[in-house]
Order: sequence, then C-alpha cells, then structure tokens
Amino acid sequence: SQKIEQNSEALNIQEGKTATLTCNYTNYSPAYLQWYRQDPGRGPVFLLLIRENEKEKRKERLKVTFDTTLKQSLFHITASQPADSATYLCALSGNTPLVFGKGTRLSVIA
Amino acid sequence: DSGVTQTPKHLITATGQRVTLRCSPRSGDLSVYWYQQSLDQGLQFLIQYYNGEERAKGNILERFSAQQFPDLHSELNLSSLELGDSALYFCASSPGQGALSGNTIYFGEGSWLTVV
Repeated sequence: SQKIEQNSEALNIQEGKTATLTCNYTNYSPAYLQWYRQDPGRGPVFLLLIRENEKEKRKERLKVTFDTTLKQSLFHITASQPADSATYLCALSGNTPLVFGKGTRLSVIA
Repeated sequence: DSGVTQTPKHLITATGQRVTLRCSPRSGDLSVYWYQQSLDQGLQFLIQYYNGEERAKGNILERFSAQQFPDLHSELNLSSLELGDSALYFCASSPGQGALSGNTIYFGEGSWLTVV
C-alpha cells in the first residue's frame, strides 16, 4: 500500500539556521508533491507544489526538491525564524486525491 | 482566511449519537474534500465531491456519509458515534478536480468533534 514517511516527528533548530525536512514515499508514483504548513488547531495552509518533472522549486526562504528516483522530497527553510515553528506536511497526488504524511513538528529556538 | 467555512467549530456529543458537519467551499470552487485528523493517524482522506458528484472515496466508514448540494456546500454525516471518532474534521475545496490536476486545495479551520 502507499506509504509516506516524514523523517521525524519533531525537529528543533536554532534561529537563523536552515531547517531541512524529509519526505519519503513508497508504492506510489505521484505526479505532484506539495508541502503544507499547519499551526496547532488550524487547517493546513498550502506552501509549495512541485511537479514530477521538476527538480527544484523556490519561494522566498523556502526551497523544495523532488527526486523521483529516490522517491524523496526535501523541504528547506533558510534563515529560520521562531515564526516558522509549526508542523509541516508533505502531500502527494497523481491519480488519487492528496495523501498526506503525518508531518514534522518544527521548533525554531531564538 | 482560506475562504472555506466550516460549522460548528466545536461539538461534544455522546456515543451512539449522530452529528452533521457543514462546509461552504471557496467561491467558485467545485470540489469539496473531507479529511479526518487524529493524533495517531494524521490527516486521513475521507471523500471528495466534484460539482455534486462523488469523485473519490478514501477511508470513510460506513457509518459516515457525505453529500454536496446544488449550491456546492457539503455536509458530512457521522452516525452511531464511537469514542474513536473524536477528531478534527476538515473540509477543503479546490477549483477543479483538485489533486488529479495538480491544483492545491484550501482547508477550512476544522470542526472539533468530541464523543463522550
């Protein structure tokens, strides 16, 4: 069955450093991979989408890579700030609606 | 504010009861999705409607049902409630068929259901 794994439940990082979150998947060939941010008790908010034929996408301090050979996506936040503290969800789609990973809870420490 | 409206925000009910959660999608969006989020399971896809028709089905229990009305709002009906149904239920919407065409989806703020 399809499986999405996000590397860790929680990640603590010092302010100003680059946070790197990992999303691995198996038994799936997604056409699109998306990253969402979720704050406690709130709905997920879309951040970035990358297509299977794209290697990298950037938006301000965010960067996403997509390696369909490794079946992996990396999500980077550069110059991290305490306001970046949240749970980040990886989501895949192709011939099915969005399937989400369980997320990684990022804490940026001042 | 995503533009997706969900009511009620919080609901406490007893086991065996039935509740209805309501969702108004963003203006112009034809697809509505329902997701369930619990601490141990993460965000689980339940069902998708597109322009009034069921488009995709996920891990939705037989005790649960949904529909999308002509004005595109949607309702999720949960019946014979069990303690394990306590969760945050999200509605989301997208302009087209959503994930199938690479669209992003926009989530509401969720309905907290507590079954006691």
